[in-house]
Amino acid sequence: NAGVTQTPKFQVLKTGQSMTLQCAQDMNHNSMYWYRQDPGMGLRLIYYSASEGTTDKGEVPNGYNVSRLNKREFSLRLESAAPSQTSVYFCATKFRGRASGNEQYFGPGTRLTVT
Amino acid sequence: LAKTTQPISMDSYEGQEVNITCSHNNIATNDYITWYQQFPSQGPRFIIQGYKTKVTNEVASLFIPADRKSSTLSLPRVSLSDTAVYYCLVGDMRAGDSNYQLIWGAGTKLIIKP
Repeated sequence: NAGVTQTPKFQVLKTGQSMTLQCAQDMNHNSMYWYRQDPGMGLRLIYYSASEGTTDKGEVPNGYNVSRLNKREFSLRLESAAPSQTSVYFCATKFRGRASGNEQYFGPGTRLTVT
Repeated sequence: LAKTTQPISMDSYEGQEVNITCSHNNIATNDYITWYQQFPSQGPRFIIQGYKTKVTNEVASLFIPADRKSSTLSLPRVSLSDTAVYYCLVGDMRAGDSNYQLIWGAGTKLIIKP
């Protein structure tokens, strides 16, 4: 039972390059989220998927796209990386139901540097 | 969207009880109050959440007054391993979907000294 996994753990890109961050969960949760965290700051929501087949923009979606491939996997794509996208990216999941409240489970993160 | 205010940093010593207070004056009726812990180079970890009064689990207690405009996370008998950043969040993510968002502030950096 791995929980939430993210690949890669580290990545360095040059400006203009593209890449996809992968997230997978084995918790059978409906909802999945992508956040970014800049130094000394809290998390900001990029995109989320309330359930399989749906995706919606969060607070900072510009420059990103997402795909909810199936219930387990939710990927984040940078089409043309920019230095402003240097950050740590976290994937999270949540059981969709009244009893869960705001309880999310986070992956270990991907540390991305764009030069 | 409810914002929260919490101290930027706190120090304490091993074996002490630590209380971190969070202010959320514009909390909405359906909002939950949730606390997360984050260690360096790791994702946040859920600690505890509540709606009103007091909630206790194996690692912490959460005190919420009747007006719900503030909350206090209480960590009993802290150890060095409790050194981390603690985030207070308010919101209602139960449906997991549209028109919700949790606002993550900078959190409280708690340092436990020997």
